[in-house]
Amino acid sequence: DTAVSQTPKYLVTQMGNDKSIKCEQNLGHDTMYWYKQDSKKFLKIMFSYNNKELIINETVPNRFSPKSPDKAHLNLHINSLELGDSAVYFCASTPRGSYEQYFGPGTRLTVT
Amino acid sequence: EDQVTQSPEALRLQEGESSSLNCSYTVSGLRGLFWYRQDPGKGPEFLFTLYSAGEEKEKERLKATLTKKESFLHITAPKPEDSATYLCAVAEQGGSEKLVFGKGTKLTVNP
Repeated sequence: DTAVSQTPKYLVTQMGNDKSIKCEQNLGHDTMYWYKQDSKKFLKIMFSYNNKELIINETVPNRFSPKSPDKAHLNLHINSLELGDSAVYFCASTPRGSYEQYFGPGTRLTVT
Repeated sequence: EDQVTQSPEALRLQEGESSSLNCSYTVSGLRGLFWYRQDPGKGPEFLFTLYSAGEEKEKERLKATLTKKESFLHITAPKPEDSATYLCAVAEQGGSEKLVFGKGTKLTVNP
């Protein structure tokens, strides 16, 4: 009965590869987010989707492309991975009319 | 300039030793201020939302308060299981639904 789930939990890959991270929420929320948490634990928003529509797109390299096939899923595809992409990526969701965000367990991406 | 500043960066307490964490913010209009708890290897867990100055929320040993410039998370008689990183975030009026997070306070409570 996990509320926000992400796969995979760990991802180790080499520079230049392309990888995807998947997120699913079973809370019925309308808005989903991707955050990046760096080595200093600073959590910064990357993207937000509301009912499959992109509403927030922070200053993120265009190697990162989110996709929302439906309002319960938000995936993150990363092209041409770089060392600096190593971080923990969190998915979150929030119900309509609220700012209270509920986070997934995170995906630790390591680029070697 | 950081919109959300948390202090201290790290705090060590003995079990039962009460203290407070600070979150100061600079936004043109506050829509809400949020406190989260994050355990190692896990995602942030929502604790409280505060909307206006003077508001207070409580949960077990935690109490969050809000003024026009800052919020405090008071921890009364903490236990070792309260050890975690506590994150503060703000949502700005008139903006998108994004939260801007502070860098967190890592709390360690020793038995």
